[in-house]
Amino acid sequence: DQQVKQNSPSLSVQEGRISILNCDYTNSMFDYFLWYKKYPAEGPTFLISISSIKDKNEDGRFTVFLNKSAKHLSLHIVPSQPGDSAVYFCAARRSGGSNYKLTFGKGTLLTVNP
Amino acid sequence: EAQVTQNPRYLITVTGKKLTVTCSQNMNHEYMSWYRQDPGLGLRQIYYSMNVEVTDKGDVPEGYKVSRKEKRNFPLILESPSPNQTSLYFCATSSTYGEQFFGPGTRLTVL
Repeated sequence: DQQVKQNSPSLSVQEGRISILNCDYTNSMFDYFLWYKKYPAEGPTFLISISSIKDKNEDGRFTVFLNKSAKHLSLHIVPSQPGDSAVYFCAARRSGGSNYKLTFGKGTLLTVNP
Repeated sequence: EAQVTQNPRYLITVTGKKLTVTCSQNMNHEYMSWYRQDPGLGLRQIYYSMNVEVTDKGDVPEGYKVSRKEKRNFPLILESPSPNQTSLYFCATSSTYGEQFFGPGTRLTVL
């Protein structure tokens, strides 16, 4: 039972264009969402997050949108750069309790072509 | 510089030979956790620790042990490794609710 789903295993975009990565979740107890980027042979690196009380968070070229009613979030990268090529993981967390466990999607491989 | 270090980075071993993967952080974080990453499955939590001497199971704890004797260290112990534990392992730390910082990963192969 996968609670966080990234239905696109891969995405290819041209440099300078927008990249949109999507994520769906099923657990309505999740109240904090994060995006991580992962290069080969490295650990995941935090990119951007959003609390469930917001519907948008922006940080430079990266914007995350949250649609709670649809249980859907997306990461927009504008403009995309070749260095953005990596695997992107969507993660979710529920507040309360003693475990700050992140529940991850399977990841989307983004390729930005020069 | 804030760091999460793991050792070894790569390990090939045989079934049944006990091994330990170390994790150390210099951020004074209370929370530490181990994940494994497998193709098509994403990252799944193995064990976590809220503080020294406080540990608990995550989603896939079978075949693993952990200990937390010091705040900065959180080793992952495989008492009798089996081939299904061949995976990429990540240690992560966090101060409170917020982003978690991940180590560089340990690629383990059990023959």
